[in-house]
Amino acid sequence: NAGVTQTPKFQVLKTGQSMTLQCAQDMNHEYMSWYRQDPGMGLRLIHYSVGAGITDQGEVPNGYNVSRSTTEDFPLRLLSAAPSQTSVYFCASSPPRTSGDTNEQFFGPGTRLTVL
Amino acid sequence: GESVGLHLPTLSVQEGDNSIINCAYSNSASDYFIWYKQESGKGPQFIIDIRSNMDKRQGQRVTVLLNKTVKHLSLQIAATQPGDSAVYFCAENSSGYSTLTFGKGTMLLVSP
Repeated sequence: NAGVTQTPKFQVLKTGQSMTLQCAQDMNHEYMSWYRQDPGMGLRLIHYSVGAGITDQGEVPNGYNVSRSTTEDFPLRLLSAAPSQTSVYFCASSPPRTSGDTNEQFFGPGTRLTVL
Repeated sequence: GESVGLHLPTLSVQEGDNSIINCAYSNSASDYFIWYKQESGKGPQFIIDIRSNMDKRQGQRVTVLLNKTVKHLSLQIAATQPGDSAVYFCAENSSGYSTLTFGKGTMLLVSP
């Protein structure tokens, strides 16, 4: 299994540009999430999905859109990039939490985004 | 100048020492906790987890302690090695919710 993969690894955008960060997992996990990580801020949840066709907002959703048309893929779209969106973005997946199971989230390697 | 808020708490230890990293959580309803390790340039990596019906759980060289009374979690690393140098995050989850809430992290620096 490749686990959770993210592309691109690095990206530089100009203010106002749009782009899509790709995330895919091959573990048949139902849950997928997007986080951003800023210095000293830990990981903050942007959007998440509990299954194909279902998405919901996290702590910091403004300026981002997501969709979940398949179990494997969970792309994150920046509609009009702003310098405040300069960050490292992590995608994660996990199986649904059931009694006795862990809720370990498996993280991708991250995308480092700079908005000028 | 730099904002103090941008600096992670840092724990510096010598190789071979035991390390203790602490985490306070805020949600009384949280019943599941995870420690993650993040090395520079990489995504977080699972270390150990614990449920709220336990006070202590041990793994290989790591122990997690949970004190629900004061909402405190700690990660103990025995015989710390230079390869343990990383940022460590605690995360909490409430039953019925699919998302984790992460703490801000602690940087562990291990000197040879």
